[in-house]
Amino acid sequence: ETGVTQTPRHLVMGMTNKKSLKCEQHLGHNAMYWYKQSAKKPLELMFVYNFKEQTENNSVPSRFSPECPNSSHLFLHLHTLQPEDSALYLCASSQDVSGGVKNTQYFGPGTRLTVL
Amino acid sequence: AQSVSQHNHHVILSEAASLELGCNYSYGGTVNLFWYVQYPGQHLQLLLKYFSGDPLVKGIKGFEAEFIKSKFSFNLRKPSVQWSDTAEYFCAVNFGFKTIFGAGTRLFVKA
Repeated sequence: ETGVTQTPRHLVMGMTNKKSLKCEQHLGHNAMYWYKQSAKKPLELMFVYNFKEQTENNSVPSRFSPECPNSSHLFLHLHTLQPEDSALYLCASSQDVSGGVKNTQYFGPGTRLTVL
Repeated sequence: AQSVSQHNHHVILSEAASLELGCNYSYGGTVNLFWYVQYPGQHLQLLLKYFSGDPLVKGIKGFEAEFIKSKFSFNLRKPSVQWSDTAEYFCAVNFGFKTIFGAGTRLFVKA
């Protein structure tokens, strides 16, 4: 039903671990996004990639490291996270970031991350 | 700075009641407007969107929204809700290259 897939769906990690979240879109889009969704807080934009180039880093701590090897794949590498980083991490894609209809974003199911 | 506000964080309605969820934004330029819905345990889905033309937009599942430029608003409406409409609803506004989401409104519909 969704053209955006994310793996894993759930992840529990310790503060010293290193893990990666993966997102893949099958919609032929050129822009991909990482968002953080925490309880009782608005959706927070983390990173934006357009044609594999990072166009936005919304003051995200360096313990989150994105990677976009091609327009269909987006990774979020995690290391030395804190318990307050526990949240639902959402990936989205759009045709591009030029505005208008091309900026309509389609979301994946998210990865529920718990940091112990 | 641009911002998006949703007035109600929680709404509880009985089935068949009418629904209106408020969304306001602050920005004087051209905007594109969206409503997304997130059903329990599911991903964010696009409900409807406005880019230009008729300010009354119809979306899926009987939802509609009206863009009132003078009020910087894009309220979501449904004449008669169903139990299956229980979900969280997010308003989003695209300002050029940037899209900002509201904090969301949790709707619970009592059967």
